[in-house]
This record gives sequence, structure tokens and C-alpha cells, in this order.
Amino acid sequence: DAKTTQPTSMDCAEGRAANLPCNHSTISGNEYVYWYRQIHSQGPQYIIHGLKNNETNEMASLIITEDRKSSTLILPHATLRDTAVYYCIVRFPTGANNLFFGTGTRLTVIP
Amino acid sequence: GAVVSQHPSRVICKSGTSVKIECRSLDFQATTMFWYRQFPKQSLMLMATSNEGSKATYEQGVEKDKFLINHASLTLSTLTVTSAHPEDSSFYICSAGETLQNTEAFFGQGTRLTVV
Repeated sequence: DAKTTQPTSMDCAEGRAANLPCNHSTISGNEYVYWYRQIHSQGPQYIIHGLKNNETNEMASLIITEDRKSSTLILPHATLRDTAVYYCIVRFPTGANNLFFGTGTRLTVIP
Repeated sequence: GAVVSQHPSRVICKSGTSVKIECRSLDFQATTMFWYRQFPKQSLMLMATSNEGSKATYEQGVEKDKFLINHASLTLSTLTVTSAHPEDSSFYICSAGETLQNTEAFFGQGTRLTVV
């Protein structure tokens, strides 16, 4: 699976959009971009995933660049409950579902 | 969405004893489950892959005789930390997913193990 690079930490004001970047310059053509988050002392929670088209669900939007070497997770209206570590993971969709987590981005939503 | 339940959520044990952690897929069958370990302020590290009806596959550096994994049914995997020591104190997390194309993994709520 391709390696990802994320900023260590970010702050965001409550109610504003949180934009979390991820670089995955070695991504291969069939690998998907997945985002998970981990709230303190809980198991990770799936957020969204995509291949090359932008994706949106009830939690977030995922913007993938045309060359697929980077992506941005957008939380449109951050709340205090969105404070968590956000992990960007690139993987093939088939086969085993084991995930290799990087260091992630610690997002702190500030009142 | 699919639910993975992990039990117990927190356990304290004495050094030298063994502790069993359960991971259940509640509304789907999982032929494969995964066990992770997370030390404070660190990321999740994959320990092993639990395979229903066969031996688990361990990541490099994980002692299979210390971390016993049993996956006796399609909805249950157990991790037993044998002869626990204080350095085994950690947050243990399991995950499972239906082995279909393009499905996400679902995680249990984690087990906080403290060995005293």
C-alpha cells in the first residue's frame, strides 16, 4: 500500500470548515484513498473513501486531485466533537481489510 | 453500518496472569479479523490477522506464543495476552470487514489493558 504524508496537527474554529490534506504521491492506479478518524480512547471510525472522483457523504467531502497524488478531507462545519486524529490511508480495495496507519493529523476544534 | 463489538472495554490484571479480549461482528460474517495495538500518543500498529478456521498470521516482531488468537466462528475472534507484563499495557483494537471488494473496515471500541 502507498505511503501517505499528513500534517501532524491542525486547529480549526468551531463552525468553520476543516480542510485536512494528505499527500500520497506513490499511489497506484487501483488504490483507493480512505479516511478514518479516532476520537480519544475509541476505535477508529470510517469517514469516507474514493478512487478519483470527489465524494461526499453525511460526514465529509473528499477532494482528490486530478493526478491523484494528494487529497483533502473537508468537514464543512466543524464541531467540538470532531476533535480527533484523522488518518488518510491508501489501499487496494480487494483482499484483506488490514490497514496500515500513519501518524495522522490531530485536529483540534476550538470554541 | 456494520457493527463490531469488543469486550471488555477496560481491564486491569496482575503481572503474570492472562487476559482474553473478545471481538464480535454483530451483523455480518467475517472470515478475517484484525488485531491492532496502540501505545499512548502513537498510531495503531497491526499485530495479527485472525483467520476463521486456520492459524493467525502475525506481523513481524509480534510473539505468537504471547498473543494467542483464536477465530473459531465467523463472528468471533479472541486475543489472549498470556503472562502479561506491564509493558503489555496498551489499547488493543480489533477490526473486521466483509471480504468483498471495496468495503471499509469496521472497528471495535477498543480494550484498555493495564497490567500492574
